[in-house]
Amino acid sequence: AQKITQTQPGMFVQEKEAVTLDCTYDTSDQSYGLFWYKQPSSGEMIFLIYQGSYDEQNATEGRYSLNFQKARKSANLVISASQLGDSAMYFCAMRGRVGSGGSNYKLTFGKGTLLTVNP
Amino acid sequence: KAGVTQTPRYLIKTRGQQVTLSCSPISGHRSVSWYQQTPGQGLQFLFEYFSETQRNKGNFPGRFSGRQFSNSRSEMNVSTLELGDSALYLCASSLVRGSSYEQYFGPGTRLTVT
Repeated sequence: AQKITQTQPGMFVQEKEAVTLDCTYDTSDQSYGLFWYKQPSSGEMIFLIYQGSYDEQNATEGRYSLNFQKARKSANLVISASQLGDSAMYFCAMRGRVGSGGSNYKLTFGKGTLLTVNP
Repeated sequence: KAGVTQTPRYLIKTRGQQVTLSCSPISGHRSVSWYQQTPGQGLQFLFEYFSETQRNKGNFPGRFSGRQFSNSRSEMNVSTLELGDSALYLCASSLVRGSSYEQYFGPGTRLTVT
């Protein structure tokens, strides 16, 4: 079974500082994908970054980077130069196979981390 | 290009009624997934459709059903509504692009059951 663990229910960071949001995952598959989404209070899920399990380079998208440590099964999100607009809930998710040997996939989400950026 | 659209955005229903939610994916995306988000259970996978066929289903009762049309638009139906069905229902459209994978969510439909 797939599982995503986000151990930080809430995080605080000062504006312009960097922050790391933790995510560990559990899967027995070799092929999977890892996502980070941002959900502001409006409710919309905003795609931030994607890392495939076979990608050797850490994914980066602007101020977002994914610190992918495959052996440790961790996929931490690093936000550089935090902005007030970064205050939101952040979800880590994994797209993995449904059942062993199946060809269908589903997305499993962690519980989320509420990030607050202070001025 | 246009993002994922969901209608309606807000809905209030009473117990025992049924409801149909609609989702239009990003142009070119053939896969549509549905998720339920509640404060207690978080985000839970409902089902996924690809080319009008249901590929996956989460652990939800048979009251939850869906379908996908030939233009990739998808509908989700919940029959005999219960108070616990109050949630934010999110639809996502996705596309496999080489070794990468894109999945974008719509703004959601907030359903309140009274």
